Amino acid sequence: DIQMTQSPSSLSASVGDRVTITCRASQSISTYLNWYQQKPGKAPKLLIYAASSLQSGVPSRFSGSGSGTDFTLTISSLQPEDFATYFCQQSYSAWTFGQGTKVEIK
Amino acid sequence: EVQLVESGGGLVKPGGSLRLSCAASGFTLSSYSMHWVRQAPGKGLEWVSSISSSSSYIYYTDSVKGRFTISRDNAKNSLYLQMNSLTAEDTAMYYCARDEEMAAMSHFDYWGQGTLVTVSS
Repeated sequence: DIQMTQSPSSLSASVGDRVTITCRASQSISTYLNWYQQKPGKAPKLLIYAASSLQSGVPSRFSGSGSGTDFTLTISSLQPEDFATYFCQQSYSAWTFGQGTKVEIK
Repeated sequence: EVQLVESGGGLVKPGGSLRLSCAASGFTLSSYSMHWVRQAPGKGLEWVSSISSSSSYIYYTDSVKGRFTISRDNAKNSLYLQMNSLTAEDTAMYYCARDEEMAAMSHFDYWGQGTLVTVSS
């Protein structure tokens, strides 16, 4: 099974900050990597698919990069509505999620 | 508008069974693979099971193999998850999700609001 490890598990940031979240796969997954945002009490929302493709309707301040085993999600200028938990997901072999990164207000 | 609406959750005793349903609307269900994903209280997301558009391919996470059965009825625009021999570790919010799978890149573009399953005596 492919394991996904996110870092950090949580972070505190201010509105306007640039935020980067990292996801590492236990083996190479090419670009079979997706990112989701989840707010409390809500279902996850797809942000990025295939490592770097922005889902329709998602603001351009979100971007993804990486291939192989190392991936990043970047929020270029954090907005109040971006405080949430973010999950990476591999779809190379079955489907596995990272443990999540909670982005909190500093 | 694409909508996925889960139902069938509730409180069940250990060893009991439940059948979850996911009603799809706003798109042609028969064109998409579908998944069940669960989230234990305060925990992360766990993929549970998937079924291809024509039910030809079915997959389960190891912890539910032999206990859960995924199925679909495209004519009724519905996805199901039959859960047997439930344990406390199955307590979670259960989401159904659509797989957009563009250029063989699988990703879950629409999710339901979830249905809560609680296994407790």
